[in-house]
Amino acid sequence: NAGVTQTPKFQVLKTGQSMTLQCAQDMNHNSMYWYRQDPGMGLRLIYYSASEGTTDKGEVPNGYNVSRLNKREFSLRLESAAPSQTSVYFCASFLDRAGNTIYFGEGSWLTVV
Amino acid sequence: RKEVEQDPGPFNVPEGATVAFNCTYSNSASQSFFWYRQDCRKEPKLLMSVYSSGNEDGRFTAQLNRASQYISLLIRDSKLSDSATYLCVVNRNNAGNMLTFGGGTRLMVKP
Repeated sequence: NAGVTQTPKFQVLKTGQSMTLQCAQDMNHNSMYWYRQDPGMGLRLIYYSASEGTTDKGEVPNGYNVSRLNKREFSLRLESAAPSQTSVYFCASFLDRAGNTIYFGEGSWLTVV
Repeated sequence: RKEVEQDPGPFNVPEGATVAFNCTYSNSASQSFFWYRQDCRKEPKLLMSVYSSGNEDGRFTAQLNRASQYISLLIRDSKLSDSATYLCVVNRNNAGNMLTFGGGTRLMVKP
């Protein structure tokens, strides 16, 4: 049982390059999320998907796009990376049932130079 | 005003102390609440869910005050291993399970 897996774990990009962070969960959860975490700060929501086929903006969506490819997969795309997007990115999934919890991937460390 | 707010700390306490954190939320439609623990450069891990009636898990007690819109976490008999950042999470269920995190409270337990 892998839980939430996200790739890549580390990436260095040049300003203006594009890339896609991949996330997959095997728990049949409806909702999936992308967060970024800057040093000394909490997690800020970029985009989320309450269910397959839907996506919504979070607190900091500018500069990002997402795709909920199917129930398992939720990808985050940086079309033209900027140094301000240097951060740790966490993918998460959640099923809103009593006793359930939020599961996280291990994080993706992205540096834009 | 941020939707979910926490005192960033750090809280520096000696081993064995009791320490409490609060987390306030602004959206009254929020329905479910969690406390997560995060160690440096790691993904957050669930500490406990917060139920309306309050709940306890060993040395940890969580409370919800809907009238004043805050949740609390009490840690008794602090251990060195409790040193971490504690994140509160609020689920605004009427927004399709929009999970919002507070900025985190850093706890350092000293010998």
